[in-house]
Amino acid sequence: GAVVSQHPSRVICKSGTSVKIECRSLDFQATTMFWYRQFPKKSLMLMATSNEGSKATYEQGVEKDKFLINHASLTLSTLTVTSAHPEDSSFYICSATSSYNEQFFGPGTRLTVL
Amino acid sequence: DAKTTQPNSMESNEEEPVHLPCNHSTISGTDYIHWYRQLPSQGPEYVIHGLTSNVNNRMASLAIAEDRKSSTLILHRATLRDAAVYYCILTGFGNEKLTFGTGTRLTIIP
Repeated sequence: GAVVSQHPSRVICKSGTSVKIECRSLDFQATTMFWYRQFPKKSLMLMATSNEGSKATYEQGVEKDKFLINHASLTLSTLTVTSAHPEDSSFYICSATSSYNEQFFGPGTRLTVL
Repeated sequence: DAKTTQPNSMESNEEEPVHLPCNHSTISGTDYIHWYRQLPSQGPEYVIHGLTSNVNNRMASLAIAEDRKSSTLILHRATLRDAAVYYCILTGFGNEKLTFGTGTRLTIIP
C-alpha cells in the first residue's frame, strides 16, 4: 500500500511555544489529507480536512486559529499547534487519500506540552 | 453519517479464525462499509471495504448481510500481530471522511 510519513514522531515542548507537524505522501499524490487527534485509550477524532491549494475545513469545536493547517502541495500538509498548552498533549495522526476507497495513515506524532 | 455498533472487546486463540461483527441498521443504499485497524501506538491501517457483495483480500474477508444492516470481518487465521482495535466505519458516496467509533479491541491468546 501507499506510504504516508509524519515528522517528527515525537515532540516535547514548553507551554506557549508552537509546534509544526509534517505529513507527506511518499509515493502518491494526495488530493485530500486529514488530521486527527487521539487521546489515550480513546478513538480518533477528525480535526480537519485539507485539500491542496485551498483552506482547510475544520470540524465543529476545533479552533482554526490554534491548529493551523497548510496543504502546500499534493504530497505535503502541515499542522501547526500554536501557543501549545498541556491540554494539547495528544497523538496527532494524518491520513491521505487519492480516492474514496482507502485512506493511508501516517504513523502519528506524539506531542507532549510541559 | 450512519452509525455502527461493535462489541468493545473480543478474544481469540492464535491460529484460529476470528469473526468481528458490526451492526449498521441505519445504513443507506450508497454507504460503503470500511474496516480499519489500529495497532498500539500506530496510525490506523486499511483492512477492507465493500458495498454489497462479500469481499476478500490478502488480509481478511468481509461478509455483508443481504439487507446490509450488518457485516462481519473475518480473519482466517489470527496471529499475534492481529491484536489491534478494529473499526467498522460507513462512508457515504462521494464522502471521504472517516468517523471513528470506539471499535473492537481484539486480543489474541497465544
